[in-house]
Amino acid sequence: QSALTQPASVSGSPGQSITISCAGTSSDVGAYDYVSWYQQHPGKAPRLLIFDVSDRPSGVSNRFSGSKSGNTASLTISGLQPEDEADYYCGSYTTTNTLVFGGGTKLTVL
Amino acid sequence: QLQLQESGPGLVKPSETLSLTCTVSGGSITSSSYYWGWIRQPPGKGLEWIGSIYNSGSTSFNPSLKSRVTMSVDTSKNQFSLRLRSVAATDTAVYYCGRPGPCGGDCYEYWGQGLLVTVSS
Repeated sequence: QSALTQPASVSGSPGQSITISCAGTSSDVGAYDYVSWYQQHPGKAPRLLIFDVSDRPSGVSNRFSGSKSGNTASLTISGLQPEDEADYYCGSYTTTNTLVFGGGTKLTVL
Repeated sequence: QLQLQESGPGLVKPSETLSLTCTVSGGSITSSSYYWGWIRQPPGKGLEWIGSIYNSGSTSFNPSLKSRVTMSVDTSKNQFSLRLRSVAATDTAVYYCGRPGPCGGDCYEYWGQGLLVTVSS
């Protein structure tokens, strides 16, 4: 299985909105509404932000939102804050009952 | 609150077997209908799903690692384990254990703190 495709980096200023894309195939992202997003700060374990394309676990800010169109999913962060600077990963369940992650996107808050 | 903790050697020699254990606290490994998983992250690189195991012993593995991976569950100790055979330098990574949340597919809501395993002679 091939990793999902994410941009290597994105940036934005405080208060702005940014979107990170996650491109897959009809065997993963496009197959089910089972896309998840994770935030990872340096030296820390990943934190689940979004599951099932657009649902948020309890405690995750509503500044984080997810969507999907065809084989591409997206994570949008609105009202950027300095603490949002981190690496972000998407993940998708696949038609072979496995999980595949994206390569990761480094978000810089200018 | 569910907590997971990885344990095992931090250094493994090439061609040998990497063995890690994840101890679950704050909940029983048999009380929930979830697959318990392993994910790794080479230094400076992205996440890679290794595989997962149900408390009944049913497993699912990353095709690229399937030939070298074994997983098991010890319900008496509330632990699950990973064995990766014939390791090489490319297996050097932080290894995480995790448990999905209430999602349709695997979405890891609970993570251990991670354990760096270095493959070197």
